[in-house]
Amino acid sequence: DAGVIQSPRHEVTEMGQEVTLRCKPISGHDYLFWYRQTMMRGLELLIYFNNNVPIDDSGMPEDRFSAKMPNASFSTLKIQPSEPRDSAVYFCASSILGGRRGTDTQYFGPGTRLTVL
Amino acid sequence: DQQVKQNSPSLSVQEGRISILNCDYTNSMFDYFLWYKKYPAEGPTFLISISSIKDKNEDGRFTVFLNKSAKHLSLHIVPSQPGDSAVYFCAASGLKTSYDKVIFGPGTSLSVIP
Repeated sequence: DAGVIQSPRHEVTEMGQEVTLRCKPISGHDYLFWYRQTMMRGLELLIYFNNNVPIDDSGMPEDRFSAKMPNASFSTLKIQPSEPRDSAVYFCASSILGGRRGTDTQYFGPGTRLTVL
Repeated sequence: DQQVKQNSPSLSVQEGRISILNCDYTNSMFDYFLWYKKYPAEGPTFLISISSIKDKNEDGRFTVFLNKSAKHLSLHIVPSQPGDSAVYFCAASGLKTSYDKVIFGPGTSLSVIP
């Protein structure tokens, strides 16, 4: 399997623009997670899906952030409008179950480095 | 407030010596703990885990120790190798407690000096 695929790998945009990050989870994984990594807060869980349904979006920072999972093989994280403080590395991860134990861990993509000028 | 804390942002160790990475948690709902390792420009990968019914789990050069009463765990790497240089994330979840999320700490950057 190719693993979790994220695109783009790097995104540079200007404040106020819409940004869309994309993720293809590992086939057969029922859970999909979006994380944001910053120096100050480390790895934050933004939202996660189970069988394409959003389960917990309490980590989404503001209404400017939205995430969708239209099918089992694709998810998007959208920021509209983007702000400089959104600059971070965004990771997508997937797991068979909840990714909460050693026998069922989360598999992370390579991340998208977002820079908002 | 962070529920999983890694108070050392960075650590430098000489090759061949022991590396000890620490992690503290505050939520008593956590009963399962994982360590992930992250190289630059890559996503984190799972390294080792421990359930709260144990106080130690070993996998080759990596050993995780859990002190439930202190809500503290540590990852020991012996002997440390230059290839171990990475960011290490401590993570916690609830299985029996049904705490359904995995919460990650901020990470500790380990540098192993040849």
